Amino acid sequence: AQRVTQPEKLLSVFKGAPVELKCNYSYSGSPELFWYVQYSRQRLQLLLRHISRESIKGFTADLNKGETSFHLKKPFAQEEDSAMYYCALSGGATNKLIFGTGTLLAVQP
Amino acid sequence: GAVVSQHPSRVICKSGTSVKIECRSLDFQATTMFWYRQFPKQSLMLMATSNEGSKATYEQGVEKDKFLINHASLTLSTLTVTSAHPEDSSFYICSAQGGGLNSPLHFGNGTRLTVT
Repeated sequence: AQRVTQPEKLLSVFKGAPVELKCNYSYSGSPELFWYVQYSRQRLQLLLRHISRESIKGFTADLNKGETSFHLKKPFAQEEDSAMYYCALSGGATNKLIFGTGTLLAVQP
Repeated sequence: GAVVSQHPSRVICKSGTSVKIECRSLDFQATTMFWYRQFPKQSLMLMATSNEGSKATYEQGVEKDKFLINHASLTLSTLTVTSAHPEDSSFYICSAQGGGLNSPLHFGNGTRLTVT
């Protein structure tokens, strides 16, 4: 079955500390993985996708097929990074997204 | 950038009535729109996929007669919750995609439905 697991509901760090938001997935084929972010009072928006292999706002995520993980990382957290982060998976012939339950990142000053 | 407008943002209705939620792509043509539902502290769950001019494809367990989806134009999709019940109270979010499979998805702000 297709599934995305984000084990942490809340991650609280201090400004300047490293951040790692965990995401594990279950999928029988070759999935496409995404991270979406929702800032307070704003809509959900794409942060990054694994096929782009890019860094957005200092965040990176590497797809580890052996561990079926797609953890989101940033070396130095900023207060403006505080938001809800969703890991999502897409596979097959459509762009249907399956979301994890989300992790609330709180960056303390 | 591409904008998706979802309306209303909040609606309260009585049991047994129907509620329509609109999702509009404001500056691009959305060939595909997706409707999600989110219960408190739970994940976004895909309800259905709609392609312009054709019937929506519903996910397993989603009642198509209860959640009517219409995608009559390239800029508008509607979700109608028919004969609403309190258990239908939830947060509904649409997303729209223009172009091919690799084009990005853009999300609406969501609609908070409360059925009393």
